[in-house]
Formats: sequence, structure tokens, C-alpha cells
Amino acid sequence: DIVMTQTPLSLPVTPGEPASISCRSSQDLLDSDDGNTYLEWYLQKPGQSPQLLIYMLSYRASGVPDRFSGSGSGTDFTLTISRVEAEDVGLYYCMQRVAFPFTFGPGTKVEIK
Amino acid sequence: QVQLVESGGGVVQPGGSLRLSCSVSGFTFSHYGMNWVRQAPGKGLEWVASIRYDGTNKHYADSVKGRFTISRDDSKNMLFLQMNSLRPEDTAVIYCVKDLGNHGSSLGFGHWGQGTLVTVSS
Repeated sequence: DIVMTQTPLSLPVTPGEPASISCRSSQDLLDSDDGNTYLEWYLQKPGQSPQLLIYMLSYRASGVPDRFSGSGSGTDFTLTISRVEAEDVGLYYCMQRVAFPFTFGPGTKVEIK
Repeated sequence: QVQLVESGGGVVQPGGSLRLSCSVSGFTFSHYGMNWVRQAPGKGLEWVASIRYDGTNKHYADSVKGRFTISRDDSKNMLFLQMNSLRPEDTAVIYCVKDLGNHGSSLGFGHWGQGTLVTVSS
């Protein structure tokens, strides 16, 4: 199984400032058949179901603000929030779907300082 | 708009069974792959099972393989998860999740239900 790790596990942020979360996979998430990298990012706001932020490494889901961006390659990935807003607090998870079983990272808790 | 409504959760004794249902609306159900994802209390997300849009392929997490069965009824716009031989470690909120892309496009978990709580305890 592909193991996903995230750093940091806790991230205090200041509104208006940038923030980034790292995610690492134990195997390359590039699908050699189609050239796509199957890495996703999800946000679970307090008391809510998770929501998709980023799919296929860097594509923002519908309705996701452009302050969120995904980048990386191979086994190292980053979610960047260009300017954090108060509504961005919650748990952020990376997930791989290049191979079954799909696996999530442990989550990064983002909170306002 | 897309709606996913889970039902069937509850308290069950170890070794027991439950059948979860997910009623969907707002999209052409038969065009989309569907999934179940769970979250144990205070823990992270765990993918449980997926079924292809046409029902031809099903995949399971090792932790539930042989005990859980995912199925769908396109005529009723319903997704199911039959859970047998339940264990205390299966205690979790279980979410019904719709694929973002249709007809097999593997793009992400685009829509999530509110979840239903399954508690396995004697």
C-alpha cells in the first residue's frame, strides 16, 4: 500500500499570510499510462464533511478560491494558501488515487494564531 | 444540486451486521462511480470501498475485505454497504461519496454526504 505522510501535523496561521502543507508518498503518484499525477487535497472544516480542494495534483475543484494551489511531482507535494482567511481553518488531508487501496495522509490541523 | 443522504447507521454488537444505504439525487447516478469513506472518532479519513459507475469493478480496503460489500441499484438511485462481522474498530462515521468525474474518470471525491455513525459495541 502507498503510505502518505504530511508535515506539519499542526499549523498555526495568521490571516493574510501565506501557508503551506507538505505531503509525501511512499511511491511515485505519476500514472505512466496517462501522464497524470493522482494526488488530491481535501479540507474538513469543523463539524462538516470533507470537501475536495485539489485533484490531479493542481486542478482546483469547482468553487474553490484561487488562493489555494497544489504543486509537486513524484512523491513530494505541497498545498499552498496564498493568503489565509479565517474560514480556512480545519483539517487538511492529502490522498492518492494512483492505485488501490486509496490512502489518505494523517491530516494537518490548521488553526488561527 | 447534488444530494447524498446516508441511512442505516446505529449501534450493533461485535460480530453483527448492518446495511447502510445512500440515497442520491441531483445527478445521473448511473454515470458516476461511488465510494464509502469512514472516519473513526477523533481520527483521520479512511477509504473503505469503491464501485465503478457501471458496477463492473469493486475495490475494498484490506481492513474490510471479505466482510463488507458495496453495491448499487441504479433504478432506485441508491448505493449500499453491507457490513458483516463487525468489530469495535469499525466504529466510525461513514460517508457516501460521489466521484467528481463521470464514466470512469478518476478525478477525486467530488461530493460527500453528511455521514452516518456506526457504533460497534457490546
